[in-house]
Amino acid sequence: GDSVTQMEGPVTLSEEAFLTINCTYTATGYPSLFWYVQYPGEGLQLLLKATKADDKGSNKGFEATYRKETTSFHLEKGSVQVSDSAVYFCALFGTSYGKLTFGQGTILTVHP
Amino acid sequence: GAGVSQSPRYKVAKRGQDVALRCDPISGHVSLFWYQQALGQGPEFLTYFQNEAQLDKSGLPSDRFFAERPEGSVSTLKIQRTQQEDSAVYLCASSLPGTSGYNEQFFGPGTRLTVL
Repeated sequence: GDSVTQMEGPVTLSEEAFLTINCTYTATGYPSLFWYVQYPGEGLQLLLKATKADDKGSNKGFEATYRKETTSFHLEKGSVQVSDSAVYFCALFGTSYGKLTFGQGTILTVHP
Repeated sequence: GAGVSQSPRYKVAKRGQDVALRCDPISGHVSLFWYQQALGQGPEFLTYFQNEAQLDKSGLPSDRFFAERPEGSVSTLKIQRTQQEDSAVYLCASSLPGTSGYNEQFFGPGTRLTVL
């Protein structure tokens, strides 16, 4: 079945540092890929998405490129801010209609 | 409403009790999803409705779990004879209808269930 694996956390960075959170997936066919973010005390929010190979999703300075050859969708940001502190989830929408499959989440803490 | 709402936000139950968790989707969203999120884990799919029809319940962990959406709007997730392993955050999401491809799922804040 479909699965998503994220890098182990938590991740702690200083403000303005470069961020990478790794995500790899296993799925049949051509899934759509997503990053969701959960800020403290809030619900899950869609951060960005990519629906086909080589697509780049971007939002709020974050980017991720759908790499079919490496089955990866790594999240990057060039300069993080304290307000980026949250839990980040990689997810895919695959062959099971309606169902999102999530990774285990990565806690990001950014210090001033 | 402006977003997906869930109630209660927190629920403490004694082992063996029955609980009911409510989800109010975004108005006009015909698709509704339930996920279970254990501590330190990502959400895991439980079940999916399109209008009042339950199209997929493959993620329900046991026959103690039951979900309904009788009028195609509000949904209730019921857990009978709760066990400690049921302790988790239960997330509800809704989306516009779609026969293929992905429509963004909007998540509620969740109900945190603690079974003592």
